[in-house]
Amino acid sequence: DADVTQTPRNRITKTGKRIMLECSQTKGHDRMYWYRQDPGLGLRLIYYSFDVKDINKGEISDGYSVSRQAQAKFSLSLESAIPNQTALYFCATSDSGLAGAGNEQFFGPGTRLTVL
Amino acid sequence: DAKTTQPNSMESNEEEPVHLPCNHSTISGTDYIHWYRQLPSQGPEYVIHGLTSNVNNRMASLAIAEDRKSSTLILHRATLRDAAVYYCIQSSGGSNYKLTFGKGTLLTVNP
Repeated sequence: DADVTQTPRNRITKTGKRIMLECSQTKGHDRMYWYRQDPGLGLRLIYYSFDVKDINKGEISDGYSVSRQAQAKFSLSLESAIPNQTALYFCATSDSGLAGAGNEQFFGPGTRLTVL
Repeated sequence: DAKTTQPNSMESNEEEPVHLPCNHSTISGTDYIHWYRQLPSQGPEYVIHGLTSNVNNRMASLAIAEDRKSSTLILHRATLRDAAVYYCIQSSGGSNYKLTFGKGTLLTVNP
């Protein structure tokens, strides 16, 4: 079984709809992240969470919200989807580990979201 | 944000070594260098990271210049499965959890 799972894997929706993307992990990590990737570009950080009570905005948080329901679950919501939110969305996890360490991140398989 | 510079694309032949360069001229003393790769239709996967010394693991080697302003990811024997986009990432001191992905280098491996 995959360590980091994302649901759904593909979703097509219409402008103005509310969408929730879910991420679950079995790695026991405390840190979780949401990224988006646009065609031909690298990943950009949307939100990250260091534990259930700690949520932080990333580089591009406008138009998105998140919920850390448990250590293993981190959801990303688009309250009112718009076409320029069409992208590939990745969830990732990492262990806080030692301060200054490399902090390897483990990524899920991605969710392809299309907003019409 | 910390920035790195990589070639847009590189090509290699199967079973030959590959040297992927990265410039990170703004690096400071506590910044790490990370390498991730993204195979087609998959999420990124960790390759290697380092601070000052050269590093080796089962996937690759990382050679860091003495002034730390550049580094090279070395794949010792490229396979077709190594065809991917390779991202060189510089993380800032106490914020090593923040990975800023650029466009990376698209590595093509020829049979």
